[in-house]
Amino acid sequence: DAKTTQPTSMDCAEGRAANLPCNHSTISGNEYVYWYRQIHSQGPQYIIHGLKNNETNEMASLIITEDRKSSTLILPHATLRDTAVYYCIVYFKGGSEKLVFGKGTKLTVNP
Amino acid sequence: DTEVTQTPKHLVMGMTNKKSLKCEQHMGHRAMYWYKQKAKKPPELMFVYSYEKLSINESVPSRFSPECPNSSLLNLHLHALQPEDSALYLCASSQQGWGTSGSRAKNIQYFGAGTRLSVL
Repeated sequence: DAKTTQPTSMDCAEGRAANLPCNHSTISGNEYVYWYRQIHSQGPQYIIHGLKNNETNEMASLIITEDRKSSTLILPHATLRDTAVYYCIVYFKGGSEKLVFGKGTKLTVNP
Repeated sequence: DTEVTQTPKHLVMGMTNKKSLKCEQHMGHRAMYWYKQKAKKPPELMFVYSYEKLSINESVPSRFSPECPNSSLLNLHLHALQPEDSALYLCASSQQGWGTSGSRAKNIQYFGAGTRLSVL
């Protein structure tokens, strides 16, 4: 089973920041938080990952709470092309752990 | 280049047919994956190949037969499928071999666009 809880859907206005929350209250110390997204009829696309520090790349920012029990993915200036299902995944690579997708959040960016 | 190429994009087959899905990557990745995704559901792992050897089989029925002929190519052979096998089949690859620790960046999985399979 997925170890994360995300809202089923969210809406965001084009040009505004999209903040997607994720709860992972049972995360262990060696588990990372990964975010992927899947635009309709395409394969999932990696966005960002982090352990405990906040991370930023050209696509998004990842804010992880100090207790690591939740995180927020931030798309700073959402565009219509950011409409997708966003998956938050807790993942430890190094053993038999697998990339387990939960139900994700369907983000709709409106004009 | 982070491209994983899957062919065909669409496939329609009867329950008595034999067909194959193909996945190719030229990134030098050592792990390759097959996922199955039903409509409005998240992807589910089927198989993992690491260094061209099968590492994980998620109790997939034998009518699905994976094959990794070389480090760049992954096939999924289909035989005697059922209508409930209709789905989007996704291939992915990652730089690092399965079950090895190391740089988190090397564990990122890159996905192809998938093959949409319809079984009649």
